[in-house]
Amino acid sequence: AQSVTQLGSHVSVSEGALVLLRCNYSSSVPPYLFWYVQYPNQGLQLLLKYTSAATLVKGINGFEAEFKKSETSFHLTKPSAHMSDAAEYFCAVSDLYNFNKFYFGSGTKLNVKP
Amino acid sequence: DTAVSQTPKYLVTQMGNDKSIKCEQNLGHDTMYWYKQDSKKFLKIMFSYNNKELIINETVPNRFSPKSPDKAHLNLHINSLELGDSAVYFCASSKRDRGPSEQYFGPGTRLTVT
Repeated sequence: AQSVTQLGSHVSVSEGALVLLRCNYSSSVPPYLFWYVQYPNQGLQLLLKYTSAATLVKGINGFEAEFKKSETSFHLTKPSAHMSDAAEYFCAVSDLYNFNKFYFGSGTKLNVKP
Repeated sequence: DTAVSQTPKYLVTQMGNDKSIKCEQNLGHDTMYWYKQDSKKFLKIMFSYNNKELIINETVPNRFSPKSPDKAHLNLHINSLELGDSAVYFCASSKRDRGPSEQYFGPGTRLTVT
């Protein structure tokens, strides 16, 4: 089965600094990948998704992610962190045989310092 | 207008009780899901229905029984609640597509079993 690994359960950056959240996947073929954000006491919201088109995917709120097959990675970045970016971020991969089935990573909590 | 709604938002109950969580989506989606998020924020799919038909049924105790009266509703009934059932339960929905499509999440139901 597919899986994703998120390195770093907690990431702390200063406001205005680069945000880099790591996600590596395991799959025998290029999968469909997603990044979701969860604000406190809320459900998950899609940031962006990779579906085998462009390898650099732009999402909402200034986030983007690059699919790198050679590194089996799909890291999430944002050039300049804002206080409102503080949240939990989840990387997910869909099952190759059942697109409806998503496997989520363990999440990375982003803290933004003033 | 709330896209995916869940009731109740909080549920506190004693071991051995039976409880239900309700979910409704007004997005016109065909597919609905139940996820469990544990205390470490790990998110795991439990069930999925497509047009009232069960399409994903993960390794979940048979004390958990989903019911989909129509494609806009997916309820979760839990019998004989145990301490380990304490978690946040998320409902989600997505439209039917050739590939994986965005899943829209509800706000979650925090279940506490004492």
